[in-house]
Amino acid sequence: QKEVEQDPGPLSVPEGAIVSLNCTYSNSAFQYFMWYRQYSRKGPELLMYTYSSGNKEDGRFTAQVDKSSKYISLFIRDSQPSDSATYLCAMKTTDSWGKFQFGAGTQVVVTP
Amino acid sequence: NAGVTQTPKFQVLKTGQSMTLQCAQDMNHEYMSWYRQDPGMGLRLIHYSVGAGITDQGEVPNGYNVSRSTTEDFPLRLLSAAPSQTSVYFCASSSGSRGEKLFFGSGTQLSVL
Repeated sequence: QKEVEQDPGPLSVPEGAIVSLNCTYSNSAFQYFMWYRQYSRKGPELLMYTYSSGNKEDGRFTAQVDKSSKYISLFIRDSQPSDSATYLCAMKTTDSWGKFQFGAGTQVVVTP
Repeated sequence: NAGVTQTPKFQVLKTGQSMTLQCAQDMNHEYMSWYRQDPGMGLRLIHYSVGAGITDQGEVPNGYNVSRSTTEDFPLRLLSAAPSQTSVYFCASSSGSRGEKLFFGSGTQLSVL
């Protein structure tokens, strides 16, 4: 079983809707939680980064971490066609320098 | 502002051939790494380096070699290419107190026939 599970989608939503993405994980030692956005044929780019539990908001994006449930979420408000991409969750422990575990990614399609 | 630069963008190899994927970063990051991305598998760590002269294996290191002679460069060598190495390869460097923020290159799409 993978350490990080993520539904591959595709997730199709109309423009303006809220996109809800999530990942579950099994390693309780994970402390750093990231969301990356990847456009087709491009490298992933860091969207959101959270340390330990709690919520973090940045513009239209909100990241949530629930360590008790081993569950993280990303919400995109007022979705735009330009948000159509694959979203990858990633996480790491405190002492694993740069050694991330990635989810397989969820493909999101925002239709005009 | 170049960031992480990978070359080539595309490559086709025959089984048994060797080649080197180049990676350079201009952000003075100590930590660099190589990932491969396969459908349904996500990104998997091949090798990483925490500084010049220091490298270590990741999750899927077999068939690959790395070296880190400078802070800027981190090449990945395929010793004897196999069809199972057909994948998209990403180089990354990271910042943050625990290397928690990864910056990726644009990738190399490799096909091994």
